[in-house]
Amino acid sequence: EAGVVQSPRYKIIEKKQPVAFWCNPISGHNTLYWYRQNLGQGPELLIRYENEEAVDDSQLPKDRFSAERLKGVDSTLKIQPAELGDSAVYLCASSLEQVYNEQFFGPGTRLTVL
Amino acid sequence: AQSVTQPDIHITVSEGASLELRCNYSYGATPYLFWYVQSPGQGLQLLLKYFSGDTLVQGIKGFEAEFKRSQSSFNLRKPSVHWSDAAEYFCAVGSSGTYKYIFGTGTRLKVLA
Repeated sequence: EAGVVQSPRYKIIEKKQPVAFWCNPISGHNTLYWYRQNLGQGPELLIRYENEEAVDDSQLPKDRFSAERLKGVDSTLKIQPAELGDSAVYLCASSLEQVYNEQFFGPGTRLTVL
Repeated sequence: AQSVTQPDIHITVSEGASLELRCNYSYGATPYLFWYVQSPGQGLQLLLKYFSGDTLVQGIKGFEAEFKRSQSSFNLRKPSVHWSDAAEYFCAVGSSGTYKYIFGTGTRLKVLA
């Protein structure tokens, strides 16, 4: 069974540029999460989807971040414009639609903003 | 508010030695507790989880953890560490009724040959 797929693995951009991250969850997983992991920290939830609905986006900085999950499968997280402080690893995870089922994490996208 | 504290940022042990990684949580009700491991360049992998029942939980790769309500702790243990265990370990707590996990800041484990 394929795991959670994320691309790109690495991205270097200059500040004020836009950037997008893509995630393909495990087949059949209705719940999808985007996390941000700053250097030396644990992951912090940005947004959670149940199918195509964003059910928790309270931690998403909506002035510059946006996300979508069309058709309830793949998801894209976008930053526009990027700031220096956005440099981090962006992790995608998925799980079955049951409370406290294991979250399966992708390898992440390491973003560097210059 | 929920919080998770991993007091050890770095731990170094010799291969074959025993290991204990500390995790303390703050939560008003019975927490849902997890340990994840993250190898360099990899995503997080679940080692074990505690929801209820037996307070000693067995996980993958020979790890176990014990939930101690009186100490608000969920420490991870392994009797004999292998070089491949070198990684970063994260403790997380989940709140009842939601899917939200709060992660600790992690403990980086180094294993000496």
